[in-house]
Amino acid sequence: NAGVTQTPKFQVLKTGQSMTLQCAQDMNHNSMYWYRQDPGMGLRLIYYSASEGTTDKGEVPNGYNVSRLNKREFSLRLESAAPSQTSVYFCASTPTGWNQPQHFGDGTRLSIL
Amino acid sequence: KNEVEQSPQNLTAQEGEFITINCSYSVGISALHWLQQHPGGGIVSLFMLSSGKKKHGRLIATINIQEKHSSLHITASHPRDSAVYICAGLQNKLVFGAGTILRVKS
Repeated sequence: NAGVTQTPKFQVLKTGQSMTLQCAQDMNHNSMYWYRQDPGMGLRLIYYSASEGTTDKGEVPNGYNVSRLNKREFSLRLESAAPSQTSVYFCASTPTGWNQPQHFGDGTRLSIL
Repeated sequence: KNEVEQSPQNLTAQEGEFITINCSYSVGISALHWLQQHPGGGIVSLFMLSSGKKKHGRLIATINIQEKHSSLHITASHPRDSAVYICAGLQNKLVFGAGTILRVKS
C-alpha cells in the first residue's frame, strides 16, 4: 500500500536552479494538494488540483508552478529557486475535495543555498 | 493573529498521564481536522469532526462549534505518542495551526 509517494526525499539546490518535485498517489483520488511547512508555522497551501485537468492557487503560489499530469500525478516546479523556498514540501490527496481526511506523502526536504 | 491557534506549543508529560491539546479558531468553519506528525516527518490524519466527539483507541477529539474550540485528549499516554499534533479548520480550504509538540517520557 504505497498511498502518496513523493520524490525526492531530500534535495539541495543553488539559488537560481530549477527542479521539479514529484508526487504520485495510487488510491484513485481526484484531488491533490501541495503544501510547504516552515518552522513555527502551520502547513501552507501552495497549489491544489480539485480534479484531473484543473489547478488552483493556494495561499503561497509565487515562485511555483504545478502540473496535474494525469489522475495519479501532481508535480511542483521551482523555476528559479530562492533561499526563501527552503522548506519541507508535502503532497496530499483526497477522494473528492476538501471535506475529507487528507492522505499525506512523507515530504521532501529542500534546501536552497 | 492566526485564524487557528493551538495551545500549548510544547507539552511534556509522564507516561500514563492524561493529555489535552487545545485548538481555537477565529473564523467560521464547517469541520475540524486533527493530524499527527511523527518525528520522522510523516503526517497522518487522526480525526475529522464537525460536532460532538469522536474516539479512536486512546485518542478522543471534541468540538464545540459555538465556542469555536476543539480539544484532542490522549488517555494513558505512552512514549510512542510523542509527536506534533496539528489541528486544521475547514473553510473553503484547510487552515492549519502551528502544531503542538508533545513529548511523553517513560
